[in-house]
Amino acid sequence: QVQLVESGGGVAQPGRSLRLSCAASGFTFSSYGIHWVRQAPGKGLEWVAVISYDGSNKYYADSVKGRFTISRDNSKNTLFLQMNSLRAEDTAVYYCAKDVHGDYGGLGDVWGQGTTVTVSS
Amino acid sequence: QTVVTQEPSLTVSPGGTVTLTCASSTGAVTSGYYPNWFQQKPGQAPRALIYSTSNKHSWTPARFSGSLLGGKAALTLSGVQPEDEAEYYCLLYYGGAGVFGGGTKLTVL
Repeated sequence: QVQLVESGGGVAQPGRSLRLSCAASGFTFSSYGIHWVRQAPGKGLEWVAVISYDGSNKYYADSVKGRFTISRDNSKNTLFLQMNSLRAEDTAVYYCAKDVHGDYGGLGDVWGQGTTVTVSS
Repeated sequence: QTVVTQEPSLTVSPGGTVTLTCASSTGAVTSGYYPNWFQQKPGQAPRALIYSTSNKHSWTPARFSGSLLGGKAALTLSGVQPEDEAEYYCLLYYGGAGVFGGGTKLTVL
C-alpha cells in the first residue's frame, strides 16, 4: 500500500545534529514532490521544507533556512532532512508528506506517522 | 515575515453551513498561492481536504468546498456533521515555500 515511514527522531542537545529519513513505498517516489511538516507539542502545524521530484528545487521555511537541508535518493525511495544547529524550538513531531504534484501545491495526499524530535540539554 | 491568519474558533450547529477563511499578510490571496486545507483531530495526523484552491482529494466529503472569497481563501462546510468537529489549517505557498495558518477550531454544537 501507499506509505511513508519516518525514522531518525530522538533526543539531541542544542547545537547538535539529527538526520531524519522517510521511506516511501507503494507509489512512484521519483515522480512527486515531498514535504516535511512539523508540529510542536500542543501547537499548530508548521511547514518546514519541500523538494521537487528530481531534487532540483528545494524550498525552506525561514525558521530553518541555513540550518536544515532536505534531500532525496530516488534510487532508494527515501527522503532525508539533515537538521543542524538544533534549537529547543525545533522540538516537534516531524511528518513527511507527499505532494500530488511533482513539486509543490498539493501537500499531503499521503502522510507518514511522524517521528519525534526533542532538543534539550 | 509572512503571516497567514485564520479565525481562532468557530461554532456551527449540526446541519448548518460555516465558512472558514485564510488571509495573507502580503495582500489578497489568489490561486497562485495554491491554497490547501487540512483537517486534524486530536491525536491524529493531519488529513488533506483541498488543494489548489478548490480541488478535492478522493476522500474529501462533498460537503467540503474551497474557494476564493473577498481576497481570502475559504473553506465552506455545508450540512455540517458532528464528526466535522476538528482543527482546520490552511496552507499558502509563497514562491514554493509554504506557510500554515494558525488553525481554526471548529466546534459543532
